[in-house]
Amino acid sequence: AQSVTQPDIHITVSEGASLELRCNYSYGATPYLFWYVQSPGQGLQLLLKYFSGDTLVQGIKGFEAEFKRSQSSFNLRKPSVHWSDAAEYFCAVGVGNNDMRFGAGTRLTVKP
Amino acid sequence: NAGVTQTPKFQVLKTGQSMTLQCAQDMNHEYMSWYRQDPGMGLRLIHYSVGAGITDQGEVPNGYNVSRSTTEDFPLRLLSAAPSQTSVYFCASSAGQGVYNEQFFGPGTRLTVL
Repeated sequence: AQSVTQPDIHITVSEGASLELRCNYSYGATPYLFWYVQSPGQGLQLLLKYFSGDTLVQGIKGFEAEFKRSQSSFNLRKPSVHWSDAAEYFCAVGVGNNDMRFGAGTRLTVKP
Repeated sequence: NAGVTQTPKFQVLKTGQSMTLQCAQDMNHEYMSWYRQDPGMGLRLIHYSVGAGITDQGEVPNGYNVSRSTTEDFPLRLLSAAPSQTSVYFCASSAGQGVYNEQFFGPGTRLTVL
């Protein structure tokens, strides 16, 4: 069955430090992969997506993600975290044309 | 543009009551969807629509009905609320007919069923 696993429920990083959020997926076909961010009390916003081609994809707000087929992973990275990046981050995989499966999310806390 | 709007923001129901969560978008998007968000489970797709008059079930459709009479509106109906339906509900829309275009999410409705 299609599924997404985000192993880290909560991560705390210092402002200015680098960030990597992990995502592993289980899907039989070529995956369509997404990262969304949810600020407190808000809906979700798309950070980036991967369909095919270059396995390193750039997104908004300075985020990037790398698709590794051999590891079934799509980890999100940012070289230097800002306090405004504190939020919950969701990895998701497209299932067919119209369905999407989300991971449980990783909550990011940024220390001053 | 208002984007995706949802009403109400908060709602408390008693078991067995019915209600409709409203969702509207002003971006002329064909695809609209409803998700529920529960702690530790991420978002799960309830129902979706690829255009006016066309709806289909997602991962967790039981206990919910939808209809799509116009491009703009996609209401979600709870016919007989149960405590298990306590959740935060998000409506989303995207251009095209699937999830591969960016989905724009509403601010959510927090529903409590007593």
